[in-house]
Parts: sequence; structure tokens; C-alpha cells
Amino acid sequence: DGGITQSPKYLFRKEGQNVTLSCEQNLNHDAMYWYRQDPGQGLRLIYYSQIVNDFQKGDIAEGYSVSREKKESFPLTVTSAQKNPTAFYLCASSSQQGDNSPLHFGNGTRLTVT
Amino acid sequence: RKEVEQDPGPFNVPEGATVAFNCTYSNSASQSFFWYRQDCRKEPKLLMSVYSSGNEDGRFTAQLNRASQYISLLIRDSKLSDSATYLCVVILYRGGFKTIFGAGTRLFVKA
Repeated sequence: DGGITQSPKYLFRKEGQNVTLSCEQNLNHDAMYWYRQDPGQGLRLIYYSQIVNDFQKGDIAEGYSVSREKKESFPLTVTSAQKNPTAFYLCASSSQQGDNSPLHFGNGTRLTVT
Repeated sequence: RKEVEQDPGPFNVPEGATVAFNCTYSNSASQSFFWYRQDCRKEPKLLMSVYSSGNEDGRFTAQLNRASQYISLLIRDSKLSDSATYLCVVILYRGGFKTIFGAGTRLFVKA
């Protein structure tokens, strides 16, 4: 079955360490996204990518970095510069950024930094 | 003012009740509208698109009012399994398509 896979489901890190969250999709979607969700709040866009080797900052990109070397993969690195990294991270994809098709989400990674 | 606003609830209803959620959006350039469902500690899942003529999927009915800039979701004959957070989602065109999520409305259906 086609879908979006995020790993790991839970991740624990010490403050000051960088950590990379994995996102893989086999839906043949061009566009991929990273969102962050905090308790009781809506989703906030971190980064998005329309095509391979291209990505754009979202609303809260500071302290994060991404790469898009393959169509299927869009990993997110949470760096030590991110002030409040503990959150629920959601990866999503859509058929094309340039249209108005809905997003499909992976099952998320819950990151806890202590 | 937020671009997409929802009543956070929670809505507490008995099984079998009919419940309605509204969502308002501020940008008239909004082009596509959706309702997502999010269970506790899970990812959002697309529930249904919202069309200008209104659309129904089983017990769920979605409506769009472009003049007043709001969309609604009606759930009939509520089930315990309908308990979740319902997210209103708007895609607008602003130099490119952008997806905006509401913060969600929590629904608890009780026996």
C-alpha cells in the first residue's frame, strides 16, 4: 500500500544534540512538507519542498534544516539552535505543490528533548 | 486575526446526537476547503473535501458559504468513535498555493 512513513515514532534526546527525523513516501508525490504541532495548537509549517533538490522555509524554519536528494525522502534535522524542540512532528505530501490538492500525513514523530 | 478560526470546544454530546462545527476564514482568495479528523496523539486524516454545492458522506455533511466565508461540518447520529479533534483546512492562493490549518474543535461523544 502507498503511504508516508515516519521514523522513529518516539525520539528522546539531550539538549544540545542535533537529531534527524526520517520521512519516506511511495505515493510518487512531488511536494513534501514538515509541520510541527504543539499541545492545543494548530499545525505550523517548518519547511516544504516542491521538487528534488529544492526546498523553501515555512513559517517557523529557524533551528531546522532539511534536504531533498530523492523524491521519496525528506528528512528533517532539528538542530541545537531550536529553542523549544519538544513537539509532535508531522511529515506530509501532496501530488503537487502548485495545485490545491489536500495533504496526506505520516504517523508522526514525537520528539522529547531534556 | 487568525486566517482560519474554529471554536476549540470541547463539544460534549451523547451518542445519537447531531452536532455541527463551524469554521471561518478571512482570506477571500481561499480556493479549496477540507475537514480533517485527528485522533489523540495521531496524525490528521482527510475526512472530506468541501464543495460549494455542499456534499455528504454517510453521516457527515459539509457546507461552504463563500459569501460569509465559513464552512461547516454536520455529524448526524454521533458514535463513540466520532470522538476526535476536527480540523478545518483552507488552501488559498497567495503567490502560490498555501495550506492553512485551523487549531481544531474537540468532540467527545459519550454513551
